Amino acid sequence: SAVISQKPSRDICQRGTSLTIQCQVDSQVTMMFWYRQQPGQSLTLIATANQGSEATYESGFVIDKFPISRPNLTFSTLTVSNLSPEDSSIYLCSVADRAKETQYFGPGTRLLVL
Amino acid sequence: GENVEQHPSTLSVQEGDSAVIKCTYSDSASNYFPWYKQELGKRPQLIIDIRSNVGEKKDQRIAVTLNKTAKHFSLHITETQPEDSAVYFCAASRSNDYKLSFGAGTTVTVRA
Repeated sequence: SAVISQKPSRDICQRGTSLTIQCQVDSQVTMMFWYRQQPGQSLTLIATANQGSEATYESGFVIDKFPISRPNLTFSTLTVSNLSPEDSSIYLCSVADRAKETQYFGPGTRLLVL
Repeated sequence: GENVEQHPSTLSVQEGDSAVIKCTYSDSASNYFPWYKQELGKRPQLIIDIRSNVGEKKDQRIAVTLNKTAKHFSLHITETQPEDSAVYFCAASRSNDYKLSFGAGTTVTVRA
């Protein structure tokens, strides 16, 4: 499976600021996604990161709050904007190959908003 | 959208016994069903998956069964070991969009 890295691994931010999370894959992948895992909860899909075009957001998530970029097939960023304590979560990127369908997760970014 | 329900939320078993986790899904178009194991502080790891054209799949001590008519699938872990202690998530997706809808998770504790 692909090797997936995320930066930063964790961060503490003040409310009202923004955090940009990077996801890097060691091989070209068709599909990249961003998920949120709130403390003690399951995973919720935020959006599909589309290469060279606007991301596709799930219900309840908007581009102004979670802007996403995907300039190529190995890299994506998620920005969490105008932070509030409710944004404290783990944010995970995942990758999938269209042919194999199996999806693998990055190590996650643990965000705490004060 | 897809709704995946998972039971039980917690499961405690004696080492060597079996553990069974059950999930139901709502979208009849879902045809891919992975299971992930998440240890504390770590990323979810894919442990087994099944597609709708298969009724059962086994990998050593882990097996998954799928009943498409009833829209439910189950994870079976036999001869449990302390290292099986983790949170397990079931998920479902359609093959044309790969978007995973997750169950709420099951915390499995294997007692030595």
